[in-house]
Amino acid sequence: GEDVEQSLFLSVREGDSSVINCTYTDSSSTYLYWYKQEPGAGLQLLTYIFSNMDMKQDQRLTVLLNKKDKHLSLRIADTQTGDSAIYFCAETPSGTYKYIFGTGTRLKVLA
Amino acid sequence: EAGVVQSPRYKIIEKKQPVAFWCNPISGHNTLYWYLQNLGQGPELLIRYENEEAVDDSQLPKDRFSAERLKGVDSTLKIQPAELGDSAVYLCASSLAAGGPYNEQFFGPGTRLTVL
Repeated sequence: GEDVEQSLFLSVREGDSSVINCTYTDSSSTYLYWYKQEPGAGLQLLTYIFSNMDMKQDQRLTVLLNKKDKHLSLRIADTQTGDSAIYFCAETPSGTYKYIFGTGTRLKVLA
Repeated sequence: EAGVVQSPRYKIIEKKQPVAFWCNPISGHNTLYWYLQNLGQGPELLIRYENEEAVDDSQLPKDRFSAERLKGVDSTLKIQPAELGDSAVYLCASSLAAGGPYNEQFFGPGTRLTVL
C-alpha cells in the first residue's frame, strides 16, 4: 500500500529547533513537499524539495532529503508558538499528478 | 484576493440521507481537487478536474459519491446515501494547472461531515 509515515506528535519549547520526520514510499517521486494545517483550516504549502537535491533552506525552514533511505525531514529553527499546527509531508510519484500525504505530525510549542 | 471557498463548514446528517458540498475555487484556477481527510490522517484524493473534465476519479466510490463541475468553475460533491464511515472532513483545493510545486494547490477550510 501507499503509506507515507510520520510520527504523530512533537513537543518543543519556544525558541528551540523542531525536527519533523517523514518516510515516503516511492523512490521515483520528483518533488516532496511540506504542508502546514492550522485548526479549522486547509493545508498550506510551506516548502518543497526537488528529488535531485539533498537540502533546501528557506528562512527558518530547512528540508533534508535522503533518497537512499526515502527519508525527508523538516527543521524549524527558533520555533514560535505560531508554529503549533499539524505538518504533513507529501510526495508526487513520477508520471502522476497525484499527491500522497503522510499521516501528519502534530507540533506543540510550549511557551 | 479570496481563497478557496467551501460551504457548508459543518454538516450533521443521519445515515442514509443525502448530502452535498460546494466549492468555489480561486478565480482562474483550471484544476480543482476534492480530498477526503479522516481524523488523524492526511488528505486522500477523491477526484481531480481539469476545467469541467474529471481526469482522475479512480479513488471516488462511485456507488454513492458523485461530483460535477459543470462550467469549469464551481464544483459540487454529493454523497447519497451517506454511511457512518463517511464522517470526515472534505477538502477542496485548486491550482492554476496540475503538477509540480509551481502549480501550488490552495486548499479551502473544508466541510466537516458527521453522519449519525
